[in-house]
Amino acid sequence: GIQVEQSPPDLILQEGANSTLRCNFSDSVNNLQWFHQNPWGQLINLFYIPSGTKQNGRLSATTVATERYSLLYISSSQTTDSGVYFCAAYTGGFKTIFGAGTRLFVKA
Amino acid sequence: KAGVTQTPRYLIKTRGQQVTLSCSPISGHRSVSWYQQTPGQGLQFLFEYFSETQRNKGNFPGRFSGRQFSNSRSEMNVSTLELGDSALYLCASKVWDRAQETQYFGPGTRLLVL
Repeated sequence: GIQVEQSPPDLILQEGANSTLRCNFSDSVNNLQWFHQNPWGQLINLFYIPSGTKQNGRLSATTVATERYSLLYISSSQTTDSGVYFCAAYTGGFKTIFGAGTRLFVKA
Repeated sequence: KAGVTQTPRYLIKTRGQQVTLSCSPISGHRSVSWYQQTPGQGLQFLFEYFSETQRNKGNFPGRFSGRQFSNSRSEMNVSTLELGDSALYLCASKVWDRAQETQYFGPGTRLLVL
């Protein structure tokens, strides 16, 4: 089946820094989403982005479906950005495959 | 609108028992998905229901089952619990709006199997 790989696995940033998280997928997908799981376990939908670029405040995402990767950009990071960022690829038949996540810690 | 609710929030069971978890989606949402999250396996898709029909199922044994009611509330059941079933179980209700899919997750049920 499809493989979803995220990098880096862990990231420590100073508040105010920018970062790029990457998600590679091994096969064509119907679409792709990014999620943030806060330290209390709550998952929040960030972007639904099968292709192209979207922006929401300090966050933006780009998916290049033909090259099978997606990027999540975090600018001017804040301590509240800490948590785990997951990408999830949607394959045929409504199956969802999650990456292992990037664990982000933003220091004040 | 109220968010996705899951009950119970915490649960302790022993091996061999069965458990039923409940999820109430956001009002008006007809799709409910279930996920299992463990430190070792990460987030894994269990199944998705839409209008009382299971649309797809992940790679889990038959001990894991679910259903959806006419009011879109969903339950998942795990029979003959094993230690490895200890996990955070998340449900999400999903909506399509302007060609965009958005999933709204509940707070999860933390299950500990002893």
